Amino acid sequence: AQTVTQSQPEMSVQEAETVTLSCTYDTSESNYYLFWYKQPPSRQMILVIRQEAYKQQNATENRFSVNFQKAAKSFSLKISDSQLGDTAMYFCAFITGANSKLTFGKGITLSVRP
Amino acid sequence: EPEVTQTPSHQVTQMGQEVILRCVPISNHLYFYWYRQILGQKVEFLVSFYNNEISEKSEIFDDQFSVERPDGSNFTLKIRSTKLEDSAMYFCASSQEGPVRKTQYFGPGTRLLVL
Repeated sequence: AQTVTQSQPEMSVQEAETVTLSCTYDTSESNYYLFWYKQPPSRQMILVIRQEAYKQQNATENRFSVNFQKAAKSFSLKISDSQLGDTAMYFCAFITGANSKLTFGKGITLSVRP
Repeated sequence: EPEVTQTPSHQVTQMGQEVILRCVPISNHLYFYWYRQILGQKVEFLVSFYNNEISEKSEIFDDQFSVERPDGSNFTLKIRSTKLEDSAMYFCASSQEGPVRKTQYFGPGTRLLVL
């Protein structure tokens, strides 16, 4: 079975500082993709960043970057220069090359303090 | 930037009634999905749809659910006889052909409340 684990239920960070959100996953597949989605209070799901498992280079999107450790099956999200608008629920998600469904973690609530 | 849209944003219905949730995927996308999120829980996959047929579905997607692409732009989820436990946020998503096919873009969701 494929699972995604986000063990931290919530985190808090001071505005302008850096925060890292953890995620681990489990799969026997070798071809897969990992994502972080952001869900603000409006509850819309917004794609933050994606990582292909076959790529060794960590993905980066502006202030967002990932630390992908394939052997450890770890996929953490780093948010630099945190902004108040980053306050949201963050979901780690995973999809294999063989199927079409995203498997989500439980999410982590991030609060950015002014 | 193109977006997935969903209507209605909120729907309240009585138990046993039929509801249809509507989605307009991004125009050049060919893969369509429905997910749901019960309040306080994780997002769960319901169904994926490609080339006018279901390509994958979850255990949740039983006979009371159906999907349809009635025209070139809309993608609908029908719940035939709603139950209290169907109360959830329903998300539509879409993805395009090619190497980015696995990247799914979500709509804003429809909040369904069954009384």
